Amino acid sequence: DAKTTQPPSMDCAEGRAANLPCNHSTISGNEYVYWYRQIHSQGPQYIIHGLKNNETNEMASLIITEDRKSSTLILPHATLRDTAVYYCIVRDLNDYKLSFGAGTTVTVRA
Amino acid sequence: GAGVSQSPSNKVTEKGKDVELRCDPISGHTALYWYRQSLGQGLEFLIYFQGNSAPDKSGLPSDRFSAERTGGSVSTLTIQRTQQEDSAVYLCASSLVGRFATNEKLFFGSGTQLSVL
Repeated sequence: DAKTTQPPSMDCAEGRAANLPCNHSTISGNEYVYWYRQIHSQGPQYIIHGLKNNETNEMASLIITEDRKSSTLILPHATLRDTAVYYCIVRDLNDYKLSFGAGTTVTVRA
Repeated sequence: GAGVSQSPSNKVTEKGKDVELRCDPISGHTALYWYRQSLGQGLEFLIYFQGNSAPDKSGLPSDRFSAERTGGSVSTLTIQRTQQEDSAVYLCASSLVGRFATNEKLFFGSGTQLSVL
Protein backbone atom coordinates (compact mmCIF):
# COMPACT_ATOMS: atom_id res chain seq x y z
CA ASP A 1 0.00 0.00 0.00
CA ALA A 2 2.22 2.79 -1.35
CA LYS A 3 1.85 6.14 0.36
CA THR A 4 3.94 7.97 -2.25
CA THR A 5 4.14 8.06 -6.02
CA GLN A 6 7.33 8.99 -7.85
CA PRO A 7 8.35 8.86 -11.51
CA PRO A 8 10.53 5.80 -12.13
CA SER A 9 13.37 7.73 -13.73
CA MET A 10 14.62 11.11 -14.83
CA ASP A 11 17.70 12.62 -16.40
CA CYS A 12 19.39 15.85 -15.42
CA ALA A 13 22.23 17.88 -16.93
CA GLU A 14 25.28 18.43 -14.78
CA GLY A 15 25.28 21.87 -13.19
CA ARG A 16 21.54 22.34 -13.61
CA ALA A 17 18.90 22.08 -10.90
CA ALA A 18 17.18 18.72 -10.54
CA ASN A 19 13.53 18.86 -9.46
CA LEU A 20 12.20 15.53 -8.18
CA PRO A 21 8.43 15.31 -7.72
CA CYS A 22 6.55 13.17 -5.24
CA ASN A 23 2.82 12.71 -4.74
CA HIS A 24 1.46 11.83 -1.31
CA SER A 25 -2.22 12.67 -1.62
CA THR A 26 -3.31 10.61 1.42
CA ILE A 27 -0.80 12.14 3.83
CA SER A 28 -2.20 12.83 7.29
CA GLY A 29 -1.52 15.71 9.65
CA ASN A 30 1.18 14.04 11.74
CA GLU A 31 3.09 12.49 8.86
CA TYR A 32 6.41 13.89 7.73
CA VAL A 33 7.89 13.78 4.24
CA TYR A 34 11.39 12.31 4.15
CA TRP A 35 13.85 12.02 1.29
CA TYR A 36 16.68 9.53 1.13
CA ARG A 37 18.95 8.58 -1.72
CA GLN A 38 20.89 5.44 -2.51
CA ILE A 39 24.03 5.62 -4.57
CA HIS A 40 25.00 2.37 -6.26
CA SER A 41 26.44 -0.24 -3.86
CA GLN A 42 25.86 1.94 -0.81
CA GLY A 43 23.22 2.14 1.89
CA PRO A 44 20.57 4.86 1.70
CA GLN A 45 21.60 8.33 2.80
CA TYR A 46 19.33 10.84 4.54
CA ILE A 47 18.79 14.05 2.57
CA ILE A 48 16.08 16.15 4.15
CA HIS A 49 12.64 16.03 5.74
CA GLY A 50 9.75 18.35 6.50
CA LEU A 51 6.23 18.58 7.83
CA LYS A 52 4.59 21.54 6.09
CA ASN A 53 7.16 24.31 5.76
CA ASN A 54 9.77 24.39 3.05
CA GLU A 55 13.15 23.21 4.22
CA THR A 56 16.70 23.76 3.03
CA ASN A 57 20.00 22.24 4.05
CA GLU A 58 23.45 21.85 2.55
CA MET A 59 22.29 19.06 0.29
CA ALA A 60 18.91 20.10 -1.04
CA SER A 61 15.67 22.02 -0.68
CA LEU A 62 12.27 20.53 0.01
CA ILE A 63 9.16 22.31 -1.24
CA ILE A 64 5.85 21.05 0.17
CA THR A 65 2.59 22.26 -1.34
CA GLU A 66 0.16 24.07 0.92
CA ASP A 67 -2.28 21.15 0.91
CA ARG A 68 0.69 18.80 1.62
CA LYS A 69 -0.43 16.42 -1.10
CA SER A 70 2.80 16.69 -3.04
CA SER A 71 6.37 17.83 -2.66
CA THR A 72 9.48 18.51 -4.72
CA LEU A 73 13.06 17.79 -3.82
CA ILE A 74 15.44 20.27 -5.44
CA LEU A 75 19.12 19.57 -5.97
CA PRO A 76 20.31 23.07 -6.86
CA HIS A 77 23.41 22.21 -8.90
CA ALA A 78 23.45 18.56 -9.82
CA THR A 79 26.79 16.80 -10.13
CA LEU A 80 27.65 13.39 -11.52
CA ARG A 81 27.92 12.15 -7.92
CA ASP A 82 24.22 12.89 -7.44
CA THR A 83 23.35 9.98 -9.73
CA ALA A 84 21.32 7.70 -7.44
CA VAL A 85 17.89 6.33 -6.59
CA TYR A 86 15.90 8.94 -4.67
CA TYR A 87 13.21 7.78 -2.26
CA CYS A 88 10.33 9.93 -1.08
CA ILE A 89 8.87 8.51 2.14
CA VAL A 90 5.95 9.49 4.32
CA ARG A 91 6.58 8.74 7.97
CA ASP A 92 4.17 8.83 10.90
CA LEU A 93 5.75 10.03 14.15
CA ASN A 94 4.12 7.07 15.89
CA ASP A 95 5.99 4.69 13.64
CA TYR A 96 9.67 3.94 13.39
CA LYS A 97 9.69 2.01 10.16
CA LEU A 98 10.56 3.74 6.95
CA SER A 99 8.77 2.15 4.01
CA PHE A 100 10.90 2.48 0.90
CA GLY A 101 9.14 2.28 -2.44
CA ALA A 102 10.79 1.99 -5.84
CA GLY A 103 12.02 5.58 -5.87
CA THR A 104 13.19 7.67 -8.81
CA THR A 105 16.40 6.73 -10.58
CA VAL A 106 18.13 10.02 -11.32
CA THR A 107 20.93 10.05 -13.86
CA VAL A 108 23.05 13.19 -14.06
CA ARG A 109 24.71 13.53 -17.45
CA ALA A 110 27.79 15.56 -18.29
CA GLY B 1 33.35 4.79 14.67
CA ALA B 2 32.11 7.54 12.45
CA GLY B 3 29.36 5.54 10.78
CA VAL B 4 27.47 2.26 10.80
CA SER B 5 29.81 -0.61 10.14
CA GLN B 6 28.72 -3.96 8.71
CA SER B 7 30.69 -7.12 8.27
CA PRO B 8 31.41 -9.00 6.20
CA SER B 9 30.86 -6.82 3.15
CA ASN B 10 30.40 -9.93 1.03
CA LYS B 11 29.42 -13.45 2.02
CA VAL B 12 29.12 -16.44 -0.28
CA THR B 13 27.63 -19.56 1.23
CA GLU B 14 26.17 -22.85 0.21
CA LYS B 15 22.51 -23.65 0.43
CA GLY B 16 21.67 -25.10 3.84
CA LYS B 17 24.50 -23.41 5.72
CA ASP B 18 23.99 -20.91 8.54
CA VAL B 19 25.33 -17.36 8.26
CA GLU B 20 25.85 -14.51 10.72
CA LEU B 21 25.88 -10.89 9.69
CA ARG B 22 27.20 -8.24 12.03
CA CYS B 23 26.27 -4.60 12.53
CA ASP B 24 28.10 -2.00 14.61
CA PRO B 25 25.83 1.02 14.99
CA ILE B 26 26.91 4.59 15.61
CA SER B 27 27.92 5.03 19.23
CA GLY B 28 25.05 6.36 21.34
CA HIS B 29 22.31 5.42 18.89
CA THR B 30 19.55 3.60 20.71
CA ALA B 31 17.57 2.39 17.71
CA LEU B 32 18.82 -0.24 15.28
CA TYR B 33 17.15 -1.57 12.13
CA TRP B 34 17.77 -4.40 9.71
CA TYR B 35 16.51 -4.19 6.14
CA ARG B 36 16.91 -6.47 3.15
CA GLN B 37 17.24 -5.40 -0.47
CA SER B 38 16.91 -7.95 -3.22
CA LEU B 39 18.42 -7.22 -6.63
CA GLY B 40 16.65 -4.29 -8.26
CA GLN B 41 14.09 -4.06 -5.47
CA GLY B 42 13.27 -1.61 -2.71
CA LEU B 43 14.16 -2.06 0.93
CA GLU B 44 12.24 -4.61 2.99
CA PHE B 45 12.02 -4.03 6.75
CA LEU B 46 13.15 -7.01 8.83
CA ILE B 47 13.54 -6.10 12.51
CA TYR B 48 13.83 -3.11 14.86
CA PHE B 49 15.56 -2.76 18.22
CA GLN B 50 14.93 0.17 20.57
CA GLY B 51 16.91 0.34 23.78
CA ASN B 52 15.88 -2.40 26.19
CA SER B 53 12.41 -2.84 24.68
CA ALA B 54 11.33 -6.07 23.04
CA PRO B 55 12.33 -5.96 19.36
CA ASP B 56 9.79 -5.68 16.57
CA LYS B 57 10.36 -8.86 14.59
CA SER B 58 7.32 -8.45 12.37
CA GLY B 59 9.35 -8.19 9.17
CA LEU B 60 11.34 -11.39 9.53
CA PRO B 61 10.33 -13.57 6.56
CA SER B 62 10.58 -16.94 8.31
CA ASP B 63 11.70 -18.61 11.53
CA ARG B 64 15.06 -19.28 9.90
CA PHE B 65 15.83 -15.59 10.52
CA SER B 66 16.73 -14.25 13.95
CA ALA B 67 18.57 -11.26 15.32
CA GLU B 68 19.93 -10.13 18.61
CA ARG B 69 21.46 -6.98 19.95
CA THR B 70 23.90 -7.35 22.78
CA GLY B 71 24.47 -4.62 25.34
CA GLY B 72 22.39 -2.20 23.35
CA SER B 73 25.09 -1.91 20.74
CA VAL B 74 26.30 -4.56 18.29
CA SER B 75 23.66 -6.59 16.47
CA THR B 76 23.89 -9.94 14.73
CA LEU B 77 21.44 -11.18 12.12
CA THR B 78 21.48 -14.96 11.78
CA ILE B 79 20.03 -16.91 8.89
CA GLN B 80 19.79 -20.65 9.41
CA ARG B 81 19.65 -23.23 6.63
CA THR B 82 20.10 -20.58 3.95
CA GLN B 83 18.11 -20.80 0.74
CA GLN B 84 18.84 -19.26 -2.64
CA GLU B 85 15.98 -16.77 -2.20
CA ASP B 86 17.86 -15.38 0.82
CA SER B 87 20.42 -13.89 -1.57
CA ALA B 88 20.23 -10.12 -1.14
CA VAL B 89 21.97 -7.12 0.40
CA TYR B 90 21.32 -6.94 4.12
CA LEU B 91 21.41 -3.36 5.39
CA CYS B 92 21.70 -2.18 8.95
CA ALA B 93 20.76 1.29 10.12
CA SER B 94 20.87 3.11 13.41
CA SER B 95 19.27 6.26 14.74
CA LEU B 96 19.56 8.36 17.83
CA VAL B 97 16.09 7.98 19.23
CA GLY B 98 13.57 5.93 17.23
CA ARG B 99 9.87 6.54 17.20
CA PHE B 100 8.24 9.80 18.27
CA ALA B 101 11.28 11.78 17.23
CA THR B 102 10.55 14.68 14.91
CA ASN B 103 14.13 14.86 13.68
CA GLU B 104 14.64 11.14 13.32
CA LYS B 105 17.31 10.26 10.76
CA LEU B 106 18.46 6.78 9.89
CA PHE B 107 22.13 6.20 9.15
CA PHE B 108 22.76 3.14 7.03
CA GLY B 109 25.78 0.94 6.66
CA SER B 110 27.02 -0.20 3.26
CA GLY B 111 25.41 -3.60 3.72
CA THR B 112 26.41 -7.22 3.43
CA GLN B 113 25.96 -8.80 0.02
CA LEU B 114 24.83 -12.37 0.69
CA SER B 115 25.01 -14.90 -2.12
CA VAL B 116 23.59 -18.38 -1.53
CA LEU B 117 24.77 -20.91 -4.09
